[in-house]
Amino acid sequence: DTAVSQTPKYLVTQMGNDKSIKCEQNLGHDTMYWYKQDSKKFLKIMFSYNNKELIINETVPNRFSPKSPDKAHLNLHINSLELGDSAVYFCASSQATARTFGSGTRLTVV
Amino acid sequence: GQQLNQSPQSMFIQEGEDVSMNCTSSSIFNTWLWYKQDPGEGPVLLIALYKAGELTSNGRLTAQFGITRKDSFLNISASIPSDVGIYFCAGRLNSGGSNYKLTFGKGTLLTVNP
Repeated sequence: DTAVSQTPKYLVTQMGNDKSIKCEQNLGHDTMYWYKQDSKKFLKIMFSYNNKELIINETVPNRFSPKSPDKAHLNLHINSLELGDSAVYFCASSQATARTFGSGTRLTVV
Repeated sequence: GQQLNQSPQSMFIQEGEDVSMNCTSSSIFNTWLWYKQDPGEGPVLLIALYKAGELTSNGRLTAQFGITRKDSFLNISASIPSDVGIYFCAGRLNSGGSNYKLTFGKGTLLTVNP
């Protein structure tokens, strides 16, 4: 069983479109995250939710809107996609210490 | 904000060689974590360190939490081709609970030549 699963694995879309990435964890963790990994492989936290409540909201354009329907799910919706949004987006979850990461969604905006 | 300096940025080694990489911080951390990221996958936790001076091993991997709490190193002994990947250090400031920020280093890309 995959602990943190995110879909889709790959997403190619045109500028201006709206897209969503879904994430689910079956670890029973209370906290979930979205990270962005750029072309230089730097991992940057975007959002953190604890029991469906927003905890961390880094400086991210408001075109990015996370939604947590329950503590096992944290989806990321992106409006009006721009070229600079191209990156790999990782969902992660944690209970006490370390994050468990999903396998990533490679978003390419053309 | 906190900054983590991870070095080296990349390494090219021969199979069988030992490898060492380290991270230094401008802040004092309570926890150090080391992750490995394989191509096309997410980072996977290798070792977690919780106390200054702690030395922890995981197979051929050994990591230490520096005495000053501002640094950590990861050693890989007798490298093999599957050690190829990007290694990240990460440091955490607050203890307890899960609502904390984890600061990541910029990664060390390891290439192992068979």
